[in-house]
Amino acid sequence: AQKITQTQPGMFVQEKEAVTLDCTYDTSDQSYGLFWYKQPSSGEMIFLIYQGSYDEQNATEGRYSLNFQKARKSANLVISASQLGDSAMYFCAMREGDAGGTSYGKLTFGQGTILTVHP
Amino acid sequence: AAGVIQSPRHLIKEKRETATLKCYPIPRHDTVYWYQQGPGQDPQFLISFYEKMQSDKGSIPDRFSAQQFSDYHSELNMSSLELGDSALYFCASSLAEDSQYNEQFFGPGTRLTVL
Repeated sequence: AQKITQTQPGMFVQEKEAVTLDCTYDTSDQSYGLFWYKQPSSGEMIFLIYQGSYDEQNATEGRYSLNFQKARKSANLVISASQLGDSAMYFCAMREGDAGGTSYGKLTFGQGTILTVHP
Repeated sequence: AAGVIQSPRHLIKEKRETATLKCYPIPRHDTVYWYQQGPGQDPQFLISFYEKMQSDKGSIPDRFSAQQFSDYHSELNMSSLELGDSALYFCASSLAEDSQYNEQFFGPGTRLTVL
């Protein structure tokens, strides 16, 4: 079974508008971490935001916020005020067995969503 | 700030040849991960090392081997290369006991093309 599911192969948004990229996950672990990475056409993987399973507040990092709904096992990325430079592939990833400060587990990635920002 | 260094950035090999990819983690990082990203696909975990010992193994073919050396750099050795090995190979590093995220910092990747 797919552990991370991103159902939107592609998304389009107008510059300056907000966009939500969907991510659902499947795990039986109580402790886990959820990550979003951005991959521009140049190929590098850029860390955006992290949400721990025990974090009660939704994570925010500048224009990025994570809408974490634990009961629904979803961790959607919200990008506010989209910019042309946000056009890229976005990956949701999970690290199982997180112990909040001591963890070296592998990441499992979703299929990715290509975001295109129109001027 | 120092980042993860991977070399070479690009590599072209023929079928059945061997290749060695190198990864230099961020100083003080004790954990190294290798991922393989095929064209249009998500990264797949291959193998990881913590304090120079293999800590986890994913979908790494038997033709591949890896190790982490005393200076914490890691090498991924690939033999009997096949066309399907053409991919972007990422190395990532982290510090097992870190502040909040234990974020994995990714290198720029090595793009391997097998002809």
